[in-house]
Amino acid sequence: GAVVSQHPSWVICKSGTSVKIECRSLDFQATTMFWYRQFPKQSLMLMATSNEGSKATYEQGVEKDKFLINHASLTLSTLTVTSAHPEDSSFYICSASEAGLGTDTQYFGPGTRLTVL
Amino acid sequence: AQTVTQSQPEMSVQEAETVTLSCTYDTSESDYYLFWYKQPPSRQMILVIRQEAYKQQNATENRFSVNFQKAAKSFSLKISDSQLGDAAMYFCAYVYNNNDMRFGAGTRLTVKP
Repeated sequence: GAVVSQHPSWVICKSGTSVKIECRSLDFQATTMFWYRQFPKQSLMLMATSNEGSKATYEQGVEKDKFLINHASLTLSTLTVTSAHPEDSSFYICSASEAGLGTDTQYFGPGTRLTVL
Repeated sequence: AQTVTQSQPEMSVQEAETVTLSCTYDTSESDYYLFWYKQPPSRQMILVIRQEAYKQQNATENRFSVNFQKAAKSFSLKISDSQLGDAAMYFCAYVYNNNDMRFGAGTRLTVKP
């Protein structure tokens, strides 16, 4: 149980284009989903927290107009990197908390490697 | 602000031996959750063990156990009978109330055959 998927697992795009990454909770309903960024050999850095049906809360320093987050249902959140540039190349990971459990446990997706040329 | 510190960037253990990974954290809260996550080369984050701060009993999951010292704000992970598949990055994490999870810098564990 508690499986989270991400799609795509990797993507290469040209500078200036937009890329959408999907995060789905497959066997549970997720009240809250989280988006992280991870640089090589570093820890996870929280980018934003999204709750179903409401606007995402972004961490300080994260451009909300560049990293658009939509949490339209209890099983799906999307991250769109708009006008991507090479410095946006990174590993993006989503996670989800199961609704109603109150355990604060996050289950992670397998991640998406983004390369911007 | 809550911070999580892992003071060991790298650790090594012989197969079948025991290793302990250290983690300390800073918080003014009394009720929170602590976690250890494993990130193998696939980069999939895997939950290893969870500890609720209001429980005095140390959590265990098969070969994995924690030493939770609330007053000292310490949360170490002990891996017994280490296996080659245990080789990975291990992250200590803290969560309070609003699910805002904070991670330590990680410890890379190598298991020698």
